[in-house]
Amino acid sequence: DQQVKQNSPSLSVQEGRISILNCDYTNSMFDYFLWYKKYPAEGPTFLISISSIKDKNEDGRFTVFLNKSAKHLSLHIVPSQPGDSAVYFCAGTGFQKLVFGTGTRLLVSP
Amino acid sequence: DAGVIQSPRHEVTEMGQEVTLRCKPISGHDYLFWYRQTMMRGLELLIYFNNNVPIDDSGMPEDRFSAKMPNASFSTLKIQPSEPRDSAVYFCASSPGREDNQPQHFGDGTRLSIL
Repeated sequence: DQQVKQNSPSLSVQEGRISILNCDYTNSMFDYFLWYKKYPAEGPTFLISISSIKDKNEDGRFTVFLNKSAKHLSLHIVPSQPGDSAVYFCAGTGFQKLVFGTGTRLLVSP
Repeated sequence: DAGVIQSPRHEVTEMGQEVTLRCKPISGHDYLFWYRQTMMRGLELLIYFNNNVPIDDSGMPEDRFSAKMPNASFSTLKIQPSEPRDSAVYFCASSPGREDNQPQHFGDGTRLSIL
């Protein structure tokens, strides 16, 4: 039973444009949602989070939107940069347990 | 500040051998997590500790897997005997507190190959 789903395995975007990564979940008990970025041969790195009682959180070029009724969240990166090329994981958390999606590979081309 | 440190970075061993993965969490972090990443199942939580005490080991796949945290600065994940299907990348992570919005900090992982 996949509680967190990232249906797009990959996304290609040109430098300077917006990247939108999507995530769906089924578990209504998640308290927070987090996005992690992962480069090859490294561990995931925390990017941004959102409380389940909020609908938007922004940090610089990164904004996460949460639509609770649709059980959907998205990560917007504006403007995208080549250094943003990585695998992005969304995760839901409750009681300290992180449940990850399968990841979306973002490629930002110059 | 040093992050989460895992060793070894790579391990190749033959089926049936005992494998021990090691983790040093960030100093002051009360929570420690072990994850496994595979192509089929993605990143999945195996077990986590709070103040050196195992809290939830429901993700440990079989009795062949065991984890210990003898002190606040060291944890091991052991597989005995190892099997080819245990081949994966194993990550250790730590976090400072119990609030769910406190992000977990990951090590760079151990890539395990069982022949």
